[in-house]
Amino acid sequence: QVQLTESGPGLVHPSETLSLTCTVSGFSLTGYSVYWVRQPSGKGLEWMGRMRYNGDTSYNLALKSRLSISRDTSKNQVFLNMNSLQADDTGTYYCTRDWTGLDYWGQGVMVTVSS
Amino acid sequence: DIQMTQSPASLSASLEEIVTITCKASQDIDDYLSWYQQKSGKSPQLLIYDATSLADGVPSRFSGSRSGTQYSLKISRPQVDDSGIYYCLQTYSSPFTFGSGTKLEIK
Repeated sequence: QVQLTESGPGLVHPSETLSLTCTVSGFSLTGYSVYWVRQPSGKGLEWMGRMRYNGDTSYNLALKSRLSISRDTSKNQVFLNMNSLQADDTGTYYCTRDWTGLDYWGQGVMVTVSS
Repeated sequence: DIQMTQSPASLSASLEEIVTITCKASQDIDDYLSWYQQKSGKSPQLLIYDATSLADGVPSRFSGSRSGTQYSLKISRPQVDDSGIYYCLQTYSSPFTFGSGTKLEIK
């Protein structure tokens, strides 16, 4: 069955880099696009960027200078790297599959930016 | 960026009402619009895709429609379990954008 699982550090210090991994199963990264979405605590959803099935990427313009999304298809993994983290980057980070809508989501990983 | 203006921010409804949530796009998005429900502490769940298509396993009391650049999610005879926060998402043009969310309470 289709699954997406986010993993990464729960705590990141200000100005450091966040590295998250989305490990997928039940589908191929060469057939489906994967998005990253985040949600500050108590706030709404924010689209961060995507890794398309063909390897192309696109990003939220507000995050583009800090954000990089990549993948390893042999390991069924999509990666998110975002630098220069600040307190307002605290929140839950999700990866999600795009097919007819965002039909499967990971459980999310909570990231806190604090010294 | 395409802006998605979602309304209302919150509403309370009874079991017998029809609930309508709207998202107005700042330009044509050609039905590249989906709706999601999020319950507290959980990941969002897909309800509607391509503006009007019901996602697998979603009850038929949920429906989507479009009028110009305004998209609507309707819940007919909502259940208590339909309480949560609802979001629209446009995927017509990158960067994709979510609406600000509607908090729904079913009494």
